[in-house]
Amino acid sequence: NAGVMQNPRHLVRRRGQEARLRCSPMKGHSHVYWYRQLPEEGLKFMVYLQKENIIDESGMPKERFSAEFPKEGPSILRIQQVVRGDSAAYFCASSPTTLTGELFFGEGSRLTVL
Amino acid sequence: GQSLEQPSEVTAVEGAIVQINCTYQTSGFYGLSWYQQHDGGAPTFLSYNALDGLEETGRFSSFLSRSDSYGYLLLQELQMKDSASYFCAVYNTDKLIFGTGTRLQVFP
Repeated sequence: NAGVMQNPRHLVRRRGQEARLRCSPMKGHSHVYWYRQLPEEGLKFMVYLQKENIIDESGMPKERFSAEFPKEGPSILRIQQVVRGDSAAYFCASSPTTLTGELFFGEGSRLTVL
Repeated sequence: GQSLEQPSEVTAVEGAIVQINCTYQTSGFYGLSWYQQHDGGAPTFLSYNALDGLEETGRFSSFLSRSDSYGYLLLQELQMKDSASYFCAVYNTDKLIFGTGTRLQVFP
């Protein structure tokens, strides 16, 4: 049973370009969460999605960032017009249900903005 | 607002016992989780306390006191491989809110 799959593992972009990060949750999991982690810091919640629905996007920056989890295919975190401050590790996690403290994390996508 | 506080760094020697404390302030509290993260790796789940008391899983135990908004992770018989960052996380309404992490260094 494959775990949470994220790609790309590493992504380099120049300022102003777009970054697309993909996440396939574990089989049977319908809840997806995105977190951002800066070096030597904790995980900052960004967005919580279920299939075709954004449930909680309270941690998403208001501009340039968007997320989706379509009926078919992976969840995508999209960052438009990247800036150097977007450089971070972006982790996706999934769970089979709500109201559980156990999330299954992917290995992360490390974005570097030049 | 929401906040979680844990020590930034803890050191110990192999075979020792270490306790990592976590205090929190949040609304909509459902429980407290603990995660381990090695450098460059993914966070991995260790434990979850929804009710007061101690939960034991092998060498690791976790404690919660809801009335004190306090919990801790206890690591026994420390091994070199336990060197990692440890995060407490509050399950808040519909998501986990993570603390800033405690870096544990285990020395031989």
